[in-house]
Amino acid sequence: NAGVTQTPKFRILKIGQSMTLQCAQDMNHNYMYWYRQDPGMGLKLIYYSVGAGITDKGEVPNGYNVSRSTTEDFPLRLELAAPSQTSVYFCASSFPGTGFSEAFFGQGTRLTVV
Amino acid sequence: QKEVEQDPGPLSVPEGAIVSLNCTYSNSAFQYFMWYRQYSRKGPELLMYTYSSGNKEDGRFTAQVDKSSKYISLFIRDSQPSDSATYLCAMRGGYQKVTFGIGTKLQVIP
Repeated sequence: NAGVTQTPKFRILKIGQSMTLQCAQDMNHNYMYWYRQDPGMGLKLIYYSVGAGITDKGEVPNGYNVSRSTTEDFPLRLELAAPSQTSVYFCASSFPGTGFSEAFFGQGTRLTVV
Repeated sequence: QKEVEQDPGPLSVPEGAIVSLNCTYSNSAFQYFMWYRQYSRKGPELLMYTYSSGNKEDGRFTAQVDKSSKYISLFIRDSQPSDSATYLCAMRGGYQKVTFGIGTKLQVIP
């Protein structure tokens, strides 16, 4: 099992550009999440999904969009990138039984918007 | 006041020491308490997961929850240089989403 795989690992974007952060898991987890991690701020939930075709906003969804067409994949779309979106992004997944608690995280995507 | 407070450190200890990491919280609805370990430039990994009050032990790690004081702790016995990482506390109530602390950076010096 590869677990949770995120691509790319690093990316530099110019202000106003768009990109998609990819996330795939091979553990057949229903629940998937996108977090961002900023220094001194802790992990903040951007969007989450409880199954294919179902997504919902987290704490900081503005400027992002998601889709969940399959159990395995949960891409995060950034439209019109802004410097405030410079962060480390983590995708995670978990079993329904443990809800949000026992999450398996990917290695992260370091995004810089200049 | 933040819902979850965690001292960012850094905390430096000699190898073999007992490490105590702590978080306080303000939301009395929190029932599930987690500790994650995050190595530099890696994703967090779940270390311990406890429900309600009490202690839970796993090898050199002990998680302690005191709901009356809204205080949780993670103890690491016989600390090793490989324990050097950032430790994140996290908690939730019912089906609510998880709230994370900012993490405490730990360095174990050989």
